[in-house]
Amino acid sequence: DTGVSQNPRHKITKRGQNVTFRCDPISEHNRLYWYRQTLGQGPEFLTYFQNEAQLEKSRLLSDRFSAERPKGSFSTLEIQRTEQGDSAMYLCARTGGGNTGELFFGEGSRLTVL
Amino acid sequence: GESVGLHLPTLSVQEGDNSIINCAYSNSASDYFIWYKQESGKGPQFIIDIRSNMDKRQGQRVTVLLNKTVKHLSLQIAATQPGDSAVYFCAENTDGGATNKLIFGTGTLLAVQP
Repeated sequence: DTGVSQNPRHKITKRGQNVTFRCDPISEHNRLYWYRQTLGQGPEFLTYFQNEAQLEKSRLLSDRFSAERPKGSFSTLEIQRTEQGDSAMYLCARTGGGNTGELFFGEGSRLTVL
Repeated sequence: GESVGLHLPTLSVQEGDNSIINCAYSNSASDYFIWYKQESGKGPQFIIDIRSNMDKRQGQRVTVLLNKTVKHLSLQIAATQPGDSAVYFCAENTDGGATNKLIFGTGTLLAVQP
């Protein structure tokens, strides 16, 4: 158990629909990250939060993507007007207590856009 | 598995043998490097890290070597076990781990034959 729960685990949607993913880390860790992983590739950084503040967003995060962490605990990632190219695994991660390079990833939310 | 691509570099080893997984990086500004293991259907799991002021670091059954001259990183796994079968990613960071904004490389699939 990495202390990161993601829901839903798998979402199948039609192109043009909106989807939302949720990430629930154990509460005592302040930084939360979103990464995206396509088949056969390593994860790509999307954005991260320090408490409720979104500190950085990747250029991969187009205007159709929005992430929030309203109370500094759980986070949501919404994709509007989904496209087939959005099909990927969306991974949420929290920082560990000691080693700064160590991220604890959830099992991800897999998005399939038909 | 969900995260294993069709054309990943693959390393096949016999159980009990040592494994060496290699990674090349291109950004000379990278100063912190991490190896992650990803099993099918799971998020990446931290294995070991190394900072640019070191050239070797050892963990339990694993050793990471860093050659900054040729921008090369390797992960050595001693006495490889079936449970080591997974995709292995190297990742780099350019701010010494101050953030966990990581750039992941292309993974290597390690297949352990019993």
